[in-house]
Order: sequence, then C-alpha cells, then structure tokens
Amino acid sequence: EVKLVESGGGLVQPGGSLRLSCATSGFTFTDYYMSWVRQPPGKALEWLGFIRNKANGYTTEYSASVKGRFTISRDNSQSILYLQMNTLRAEDSATYYCARDTSDYGGYYAMDYWGQGTSVTVSS
Amino acid sequence: QIVLTQSPAIMSASLGEEITLTCSASSSVSYMHWYQQKSGTSPKLLIYSTSNLASGVPSRFSGSGSGTFYSLTISSVEAEDAADYYCHQWSSWTFGGGTKLEIK
Repeated sequence: EVKLVESGGGLVQPGGSLRLSCATSGFTFTDYYMSWVRQPPGKALEWLGFIRNKANGYTTEYSASVKGRFTISRDNSQSILYLQMNTLRAEDSATYYCARDTSDYGGYYAMDYWGQGTSVTVSS
Repeated sequence: QIVLTQSPAIMSASLGEEITLTCSASSSVSYMHWYQQKSGTSPKLLIYSTSNLASGVPSRFSGSGSGTFYSLTISSVEAEDAADYYCHQWSSWTFGGGTKLEIK
C-alpha cells in the first residue's frame, strides 16, 4: 500500500524557517518524481515544485512564488521527501501536501497519491 | 505561464441532476486532469488525461475537452459528490481556482 505522511508543520514567526518531511512507503521511491503542493485556508491548491527521480538526476523545479526561499530535497535511503522553507511570510500559511508524480496516466504526469497534509502558520 | 480558469466558482445541484464544470486554459494544452477534494481531506485524482477515470471512480463522472476548453460532467449527482473540484495541468505546473459543488 502506498503511503505518504507529512510532518513538521507548526507555528513559526515571520522571517523564520521550517523543514517539512514526507515519509513514504509502499513503492520504489527513487523511481518517482515527488511534488509539494500547498493550500491556504479556504483557497485553491498551489503547486510549489517538484524533484525528479533517479533516472532524471533528482533535479528540481520551483514555482516563482517560492523560488529562492524553498528547497526540495530527498533522502532516498530512507524514502523521505523534504521541503525546507526559509524567510517565511504570513502568506505562506497553508496546509502543505506532498504528492507522488507518475507518468502512468495516459503518458502524462499526474499526482496519484497524496499525503494527509501538515499545517503551517506564519504569525508573530 | 498557462492560467486555468474554472467556472462556476460555486455550483449548487440537486440530487440526480446532471452538471458540468468547466476549465478554460489561457493557451492550448494537450490534456487536463481533475481532482476531487472533500472537506478536510487531501485531493484525490478523479480523471486523468482529459477523459480517463482514475481507479475506483464511479462511472457517473466523465471528462472531455481539447485545446483551451475542458469539462467535467457528473451525470447524476449524488450526495457524496459534494466537494471542491480542481483542474490541473502537470506540464504547466498549475491548478485551476476550483469549483465548489454544493448539494441542495
């Protein structure tokens, strides 16, 4: 069974940092791209970025809204995905989800499994 | 950057009604995925590559479209369909703003 479990959320002051984790199981972690998506309270989903799989060198891509402040990484030995968030702002307050990306859906990539989310609040 | 615009933002439907949600892309795209998110839960892949039902999705759901216009249809709305629905273009790294489906 595929499982993704996020952790590390909480309350942080503006300008602070936080590292989120996404522990995965049930699939060969290195075979998959992995994404981070966030959702502010009552608002839409926003894709933050993704990290490619082993075959594609574990390279990363980021949305303009977080590029330079957020870093996605992975510990392939433990099948854990990370999101390092620096210089946090009030508008970064959201539920953060990790998701598995796969091209098994008609040849196009899709996010087929999601974690339950972890909540981040940026406030003084 | 491609922008996905969903309409309506909120839809109220009666049980058994057929409804259609739409997603308009600012530039032509090759496909669209749709996600369903029920209150307090994480998104679930509903339809992939425009018209294919994800595993376990009831046949009352269907998707269609091409170019800049895509749609999600529920042939006979059930109470359990109350949720937010998002269109998604992986290649463009973007989600639509969502449609909230309420059941009357």
